[in-house]
Amino acid sequence: TQLLEQSPQFLSIQEGENLTVYCNSSSVFSSLQWYRQEPGEGPVLLVTVVTGGEVKKLKRLTFQFGDARKDSSLHITAAQPGDTGLYLCAGAETGNQFYFGTGTSLTVIP
Amino acid sequence: GAVVSQHPSRVICKSGTSVKIECRSLDFQATTMFWYRQFPKKSLMLMATSNEGSKATYEQGVEKDKFLINHASLTLSTLTVTSAHPEDSSFYICSAPDRVYGYTFGSGTRLTVV
Repeated sequence: TQLLEQSPQFLSIQEGENLTVYCNSSSVFSSLQWYRQEPGEGPVLLVTVVTGGEVKKLKRLTFQFGDARKDSSLHITAAQPGDTGLYLCAGAETGNQFYFGTGTSLTVIP
Repeated sequence: GAVVSQHPSRVICKSGTSVKIECRSLDFQATTMFWYRQFPKKSLMLMATSNEGSKATYEQGVEKDKFLINHASLTLSTLTVTSAHPEDSSFYICSAPDRVYGYTFGSGTRLTVV
């Protein structure tokens, strides 16, 4: 069951530009995670947010959890080619079973 | 950190044969593991939840008899694709929840059925 919609689905930008990826749902989540996945590899966890309105920063990445815990955003400042990958949000309504968003494929052109 | 080992990383099999994929938690115990299927540049689709010592829980639309899941120990879950057909070709990934690191994923298995 896909409960989370991500936008945009595909994004191609020049190195140095900023971008924001959105993750939206009509469901309320107890926690939400963001992952980055490279081709042929499994996803790697970037961050977990659990509190409505929470903001976490990871170097050039800023993650925000919506006040109502239904949505989240990922903002990347000064994107680099190494940021290229598939970005996935994943939300858990209860327990530890996460469902993944539809994914955002990011390409950063040198 | 928590490590999940998935094997094999790539497999090519003939149509009609069965393929087994293993998922091991190397430094922690996992009473639950999850199996996903992924198409190129698409998100992960949860197929089933593997429960140690009991039957797996399958998502709607996933054929139980085609995708056999066994979770015989606290560190090993297996997914067997039975009577594989070309439409079963995909990237299969397992994951296990860990208290500290959240979800830890295996590196995936690229299955190609010819």
